[in-house]
Amino acid sequence: SQQGEEDPQALSIQEGENATMNCSYKTSINNLQWYRQNSGRGLVHLILIRSNEREKHSGRLRVTLDTSKKSSSLLITASRAADTASYFCVLGGSNFGNEKLTFGTGTRLTIIP
Amino acid sequence: DSGVTQTPKHLITATGQRVTLRCSPRSGDLSVYWYQQSLDQGLQFLIQYYNGEERAKGNILERFSAQQFPDLHSELNLSSLELGDSALYFCASSVGRDTIYEQYFGPGTRLTVT
Repeated sequence: SQQGEEDPQALSIQEGENATMNCSYKTSINNLQWYRQNSGRGLVHLILIRSNEREKHSGRLRVTLDTSKKSSSLLITASRAADTASYFCVLGGSNFGNEKLTFGTGTRLTIIP
Repeated sequence: DSGVTQTPKHLITATGQRVTLRCSPRSGDLSVYWYQQSLDQGLQFLIQYYNGEERAKGNILERFSAQQFPDLHSELNLSSLELGDSALYFCASSVGRDTIYEQYFGPGTRLTVT
């Protein structure tokens, strides 16, 4: 498959807790990105990690990439109600062209107030 | 607000009809991407234009076509509509032509085919 597969499919946690989502893929990539989508709305880019990077931070977000295991994780710390959304792992580049983003099926995150 | 605008917001039409969806990219962005999001297929890349020229093609049906105009706005034309074409259609823009550049998504057009 040329798309990333997120795990879990759905996750519910209490506000203030940390949320971790994982993404696995099978092909070579140039970069891996995480996007967020609030219900029925457009996607918002969260973070991009290149294939030669292992970890990246942005505010409360921490992304890791292990190219040997073909996996990535997204950690959201100190979750807030506004973090309730679907999170997509997106593969960029390499075998299927630098122009295409291939979206996974997403992890549905629900933050319980 | 991403800076990407899409019109219309909602569209309800009958099978067999033809519709045009419009997208205006962020100021300065040269690439426009079209995506289809349906419940059973997830988010699928359709096509990309860069500075007026087709750059990449994804799972776009032959009944669908797109173009990017000199002012960089783009239109996605859907013809001979079928029930299965009901979906959210997103447009995204980026400054460059590769996936290394962040894509900014519009709010989407919800198409319902009856």
